Amino acid sequence: DTAVSQTPKYLVTQMGNDKSIKCEQNLGHDTMYWYKQDSKKFLKIMFSYNNKELIINETVPNRFSPKSPDKAHLNLHINSLELGDSAVYFCASTRTRRYYNEQFFGPGTRLTVL
Amino acid sequence: AQSVSQHNHHVILSEAASLELGCNYSYGGTVNLFWYVQYPGQHLQLLLKYFSGDPLVKGIKGFEAEFIKSKFSFNLRKPSVQWSDTAEYFCAVRNSGNTPLVFGKGTRLSVIA
Repeated sequence: DTAVSQTPKYLVTQMGNDKSIKCEQNLGHDTMYWYKQDSKKFLKIMFSYNNKELIINETVPNRFSPKSPDKAHLNLHINSLELGDSAVYFCASTRTRRYYNEQFFGPGTRLTVL
Repeated sequence: AQSVSQHNHHVILSEAASLELGCNYSYGGTVNLFWYVQYPGQHLQLLLKYFSGDPLVKGIKGFEAEFIKSKFSFNLRKPSVQWSDTAEYFCAVRNSGNTPLVFGKGTRLSVIA
């Protein structure tokens, strides 16, 4: 029944490792997003993606790469993890319609880099 | 670029007090406006949203917000808060269709008995 799901919920890893976070939505939405929430609770967009276009926030390091095997999934792969990557990462999705396109958020993945 | 300001970083209220959290945005075109709540350790939940029409919108759990276009504001209100309203509140704005949300920095609300 979960609309937007993420795995894992918690991820603890060492600096320098490569890790992935998975996101799936079962809402039939066509656009998905990754947001980062830092230690001060500030939420900022990282990527938005639909089956036509990937838009990258220019402040996101290229160690971060979104991968979408199909419309229902947008995974986040992170290379060479750094301490500053520790944060909560939220996936979201929406259907692209002109007037009514609320974003639905996943439960978040808390990443801790040691 | 769009930016969102939430003026209060941390608000502390007693139960039954009235609440108003400020939110202002910078871009003056057509916008969609949202308030999200994040309870401790939980994910974002939508409280209410404005797309068009009546500028006074009612959301879940007794919350409401008023869109004042001339002031670029979308303040959140609740007449009487409860202890269970303790959470982080985020205002978010979007300029069009499927563009990402731009969030304010959040306001932490602590309700004490």
